[in-house]
Amino acid sequence: GAVVSQHPSWVICKSGTSVKIECRSLDFQATTMFWYRQFPKQSLMLMATSNEGSKATYEQGVEKDKFLINHASLTLSTLTVTSAHPEDSSFYICSARGLGARDPPGDTQYFGPGTRLTVL
Amino acid sequence: GQSLEQPSEVTAVEGAIVQINCTYQTSGFYGLSWYQQHDGGAPTFLSYNALDGLEETGRFSSFLSRSDSYGYLLLQELQMKDSASYFCAVNRNNNAGNMLTFGGGTRLMVKP
Repeated sequence: GAVVSQHPSWVICKSGTSVKIECRSLDFQATTMFWYRQFPKQSLMLMATSNEGSKATYEQGVEKDKFLINHASLTLSTLTVTSAHPEDSSFYICSARGLGARDPPGDTQYFGPGTRLTVL
Repeated sequence: GQSLEQPSEVTAVEGAIVQINCTYQTSGFYGLSWYQQHDGGAPTFLSYNALDGLEETGRFSSFLSRSDSYGYLLLQELQMKDSASYFCAVNRNNNAGNMLTFGGGTRLMVKP
C-alpha cells in the first residue's frame, strides 16, 4: 500500500510552453501533498505544500504564478509549470501523506517516481 | 533558517559497515528521517527517529541525539545494491503544517 504515481515520467518541451504534471495517491487519500524540485546531484528542495481543498503554501523564492498547484481531490494534485524556460529543467517529485496510508512512524511522506522536465 | 549537514560522499567495500552522520539546526523539530535514492529514482523511506536512541531495521539502523542535534544512519553488511544517495531529513512543523527538510545527501559507493 501507500503508492504514489506521477505522470508523465518525463517530458521535453519548447521554451515558453506550459507543462502539467500529475501526482496521484493510488491506494490512500492524500490530505497533504508536497512538490519538490531536484537538480542533478543535489538535494530535494521543497517548492510547496498543498492541502486538499485549499491554496498551496509556497516556499520562499518559489513563484506561485509560475508554478501553479491544484489539489482538488484527495487523490490528485497537479503542478503546472507555466511559460517554461531552460532553467526550469529539473526532476520534479511529489510526495503524499494522508488517511489510510500505512504511514511509517513520524507522519512521513510517500514519494512518487518523479518527472524529468527538459525545456529546450 | 534550516540547515542540515552530511558528508557529500562515502566509499566502502562489500560486507563493510558504514556510518553516515547528520547534524541539523531547525525550528519546529519533531523527528529525523532517512531516505535512500538511487540515480533517477524516487526517494524511499528507510528509518525514523523521534526519540533519542537507536532504531534498528534489518541491516539499517538509525540513531538520534536531540540534545546534540545529531543523528546517523548505520548500514551493515554492505551490498553492491546499497550504492545510492542517502538523505537525512528533519520532520518539522511550520505554518503550513508538518513537513520535511532534506540534507544535501551522501553519495555512497560500494566497491567489490
